[in-house]
Amino acid sequence: DIQMTQSPSSLSASVGDRVTITCRASQTIATFLNWYQQEPGKAPRLLIYGASSLQSGVPSRFSGSGSGTDFTLTISSLQPEDFATYYCQQSYSPPRTFGQGTKLEIK
Amino acid sequence: QVLLVQSGAEVKKPGSSVKVSCKTSGGAFNSYVISWVRQAPGQGLEWMGGIIPILGPTNSAQKFQGRLTVTADESTKTAYMELSSLTYEDTAVYYCARGADHGDYKGADYWGQGTLVTVSS
Repeated sequence: DIQMTQSPSSLSASVGDRVTITCRASQTIATFLNWYQQEPGKAPRLLIYGASSLQSGVPSRFSGSGSGTDFTLTISSLQPEDFATYYCQQSYSPPRTFGQGTKLEIK
Repeated sequence: QVLLVQSGAEVKKPGSSVKVSCKTSGGAFNSYVISWVRQAPGQGLEWMGGIIPILGPTNSAQKFQGRLTVTADESTKTAYMELSSLTYEDTAVYYCARGADHGDYKGADYWGQGTLVTVSS
C-alpha cells in the first residue's frame, strides 16, 4: 500500500495568514493527489484534485502543487471558515490511502 | 443536485455484522465509483473499499479483506457496505462517497452524511 504522510499534524495560524501543508507519498503517484477539508461533525469536502485542480465552488485562495511524491496545499489568506482538518489522499492505486490529517487551529 | 443519504446509526455486539446503505439521487449511479470511508472517534479518514455498480467491487483495503462486502442495487441506486466479525475497534462513522469521475482518479466530490456504528456489549 502507498503510505501518505502529512506535515505538520497541527498548525496554529491567524486570519489573513498564508499557510502551507505538505503531503508525501511513499512512492511516486504522478499527480493523483487530492485534498479534502473536514469540519467537526461533517463529511469531508473535496478541495483539490489532480494535485492542482480546484474543485468547482472552492475559493481561489486554496491552491495545490506537486508531483511524484511531494505535494503542498496552500491557503493564501486564511478566513475564519478555513479552520478545520485537512487530508490528502492518493488516487494512483487502490487502496486509496489518506494522510493522517493536519488540524488547522486559530492562534 | 447529487445526494447521498445513508441509513441511521447502529449499535452492534462484538462478533456480529452491520450493513449500511447509501441511497443516491440526482445523478448517474451505474458508472461511478461509490467508496466507503470510515473515521474512528477522534481519528483520521480510512478508505475501506468501493464498487462500480455496473462492474462490481473494486479492490478493498487489505485489513478488511474477508470481512467487507460492498454491493449495489442499480434499480434503487443504492450501495451497501456490510462489515462482519465486528470488534470494538470498528466503532466509527462510516461514510459513502461518489467518485468525481468514472475512474475515481479525481477524488470523491459527493459524500453521504455518515452513519455512526457503535460496537458495544
